[in-house]
Amino acid sequence: DVKVTQSSRYLVKRTGEKVFLECVQDMDHENMFWYRQDPGLGLRLIYFSYDVKMKEKGDIPEGYSVSREKKERFSLILESASTNQTSMYLCASSPGLAGPYEQYFGPGTRLTVT
Amino acid sequence: ILNVEQSPQSLHVQEGDSTNFTCSFPSSNFYALHWYRWETAKSPEALFVMTLNGDEKKKGRISATLNTKEGYSYLYIKGSQPEDSATYLCAFYGLTSYDKVIFGPGTSLSVIP
Repeated sequence: DVKVTQSSRYLVKRTGEKVFLECVQDMDHENMFWYRQDPGLGLRLIYFSYDVKMKEKGDIPEGYSVSREKKERFSLILESASTNQTSMYLCASSPGLAGPYEQYFGPGTRLTVT
Repeated sequence: ILNVEQSPQSLHVQEGDSTNFTCSFPSSNFYALHWYRWETAKSPEALFVMTLNGDEKKKGRISATLNTKEGYSYLYIKGSQPEDSATYLCAFYGLTSYDKVIFGPGTSLSVIP
């Protein structure tokens, strides 16, 4: 079974802190994704990567950066956390280039910025 | 900006009822559509991957149809059970941006025993 793990289920940070969210997948997938989920808005793509050291902006990249130094690991970085970044963050992976391959999701990290 | 819509936003049904909900997407730019089920405290899991107009997929009591010409997909659940309670997401892949999926806002289904 594909397994996607995220470093924390719940995280509380203060405004201005640098925040790292880690995601690891164990199925040698090329593609990895970071989403945030807010009520009524569905999942919104922040960044994605289809190879080591490659990254592409999604729909809402502002305030975020990413790092993919190894194929299995994709990190989301909040350089200076703000209260409007309080959200549920989901990582996903998929094999090969995107669609129609299904994505495999991690359990999510609920981040609260105070 | 491409828009993917789902209706209704939420749904409450009695156990044993059949139900259906809709995903609408841009018809001129279709590449693929996925349906996911997201149960509380779990990760979203793929139900169906749909690529062809007229596709009909089935998994147990759940089925989905696809109309790419008019830009919609229906998800049907026959004889709903409490374990079907979840948020159902559709995800659209467009031809010109096939590497960026767009998720709909989801339909939240509650099945009352």
